[in-house]
Amino acid sequence: SQTIHQWPATLVQPVGSPLSLECTVEGTSNPNLYWYRQAAGRGLQLLFYSVGIGQISSEVPQNLSASRPQDRQFILSSKKLLLSDSGFYLCAWSRSTLNQPQHFGDGTRLSIL
Amino acid sequence: AQSVTQLGSHVSVSEGALVLLRCNYSSSVPPYLFWYVQYPNQGLQLLLKYTSAATLVKGINGFEAEFKKSETSFHLTKPSAHMSDAAEYFCAVLPGDTDKLIFGTGTRLQVFP
Repeated sequence: SQTIHQWPATLVQPVGSPLSLECTVEGTSNPNLYWYRQAAGRGLQLLFYSVGIGQISSEVPQNLSASRPQDRQFILSSKKLLLSDSGFYLCAWSRSTLNQPQHFGDGTRLSIL
Repeated sequence: AQSVTQLGSHVSVSEGALVLLRCNYSSSVPPYLFWYVQYPNQGLQLLLKYTSAATLVKGINGFEAEFKKSETSFHLTKPSAHMSDAAEYFCAVLPGDTDKLIFGTGTRLQVFP
């Protein structure tokens, strides 16, 4: 069966510090990968989307970037965090054929001080 | 453009009562529809999916949803609420020509004893 892992579960960072959140998927090949942000009390905002190694689509202009160095690894990064980067970050995967549901990790709670 | 509307950001029911969470969609092509549940500080878990087979879809935890094309609705129901059903529920649509889910803004379900 397929599993998705996100870490860390919680993170507290000062403004201006760098960020690296990691997501890995097991049990499947060539998945589509997604990064979402969920602000407090709000819905999900798609940040990045990837259909393959090195292929990243950015959905909104922001202070963050994403990379996919391996087939089942997806990394969310920032060089300098802003207060507005606080939130709950979720990684998800889906099969690469159309019309497949997405499956989510447990998320990372990021607090910026 | 495709969209999802969840009527009611908060729904409260008594334990044992019927649960009804509303979702209406807008899609120019036959949609694929999903319901997800999110417990506090966790990721989203797939409850059920509609993929153009049966219009009444059964999911996990006793939930089901009925696809009604004439009403462009995909409401989520459960005959008898349990305390453990308290969570946030998201309806989502896959437009059919993209792998990017469009989420509703969510409905928080409270269950009172």
